[in-house]
Amino acid sequence: AQKVTQAQTEISVVEKEDVTLDCVYETRDTTYYLFWYKQPPSGELVFLIRRNSFDEQNEISGRYSWNFQKSTSSFNFTITASQVVDSAVYFCALSMLRTSYGKLTFGQGTILTVHP
Amino acid sequence: EAQVTQNPRYLITVTGKKLTVTCSQNMNHEYMSWYRQDPGLGLRQIYYSMNVEVTDKGDVPEGYKVSRKEKRNFPLILESPSPNQTSLYFCASSSWTEAFFGQGTRLTVV
Repeated sequence: AQKVTQAQTEISVVEKEDVTLDCVYETRDTTYYLFWYKQPPSGELVFLIRRNSFDEQNEISGRYSWNFQKSTSSFNFTITASQVVDSAVYFCALSMLRTSYGKLTFGQGTILTVHP
Repeated sequence: EAQVTQNPRYLITVTGKKLTVTCSQNMNHEYMSWYRQDPGLGLRQIYYSMNVEVTDKGDVPEGYKVSRKEKRNFPLILESPSPNQTSLYFCASSSWTEAFFGQGTRLTVV
């Protein structure tokens, strides 16, 4: 069975601090995708990144960066120089193409609050 | 523009009164699904459909029905809603590599 764990329920930081959101996953499949979504207070799910299981390169997009490590089954998300607009719930998710095409298994979510 | 449209966005209803939440996608995706989001539990899959007339239960199907008569539409039906179905609902449309979500429906059952 597949599982995604986001152990940090809530994180509170002050603006300009760096913050890392942890994501650990479990799967027996060798082919899978990992996702991060942002859910701002307005409620919609905003896609941030998708990474496939064969690509362990880290990715940077502006202030956002992702660290994928298959050896530890982790896909962590770092926000550099956080801003108040980063306040949201962040979800990590896993999709196994071979055994459950189309289904996303989500973590519990991490509530990030960035204070001015 | 790729879009998943679900309606209504907000709904307050009473216990036992049948309701339908609609979902439509314009990407010609075969796979569509419904999720519910509850605090501390993340999003959990309710039902999914791999094509027209092909539907199956997800992780939390009790109390829900779906239908897929057309590729673009995948409505979620609550025949007799109960307060424990108060939640935030998302419809999703997926390909092999990406998932698009609707804007969400916040349902309150009193």
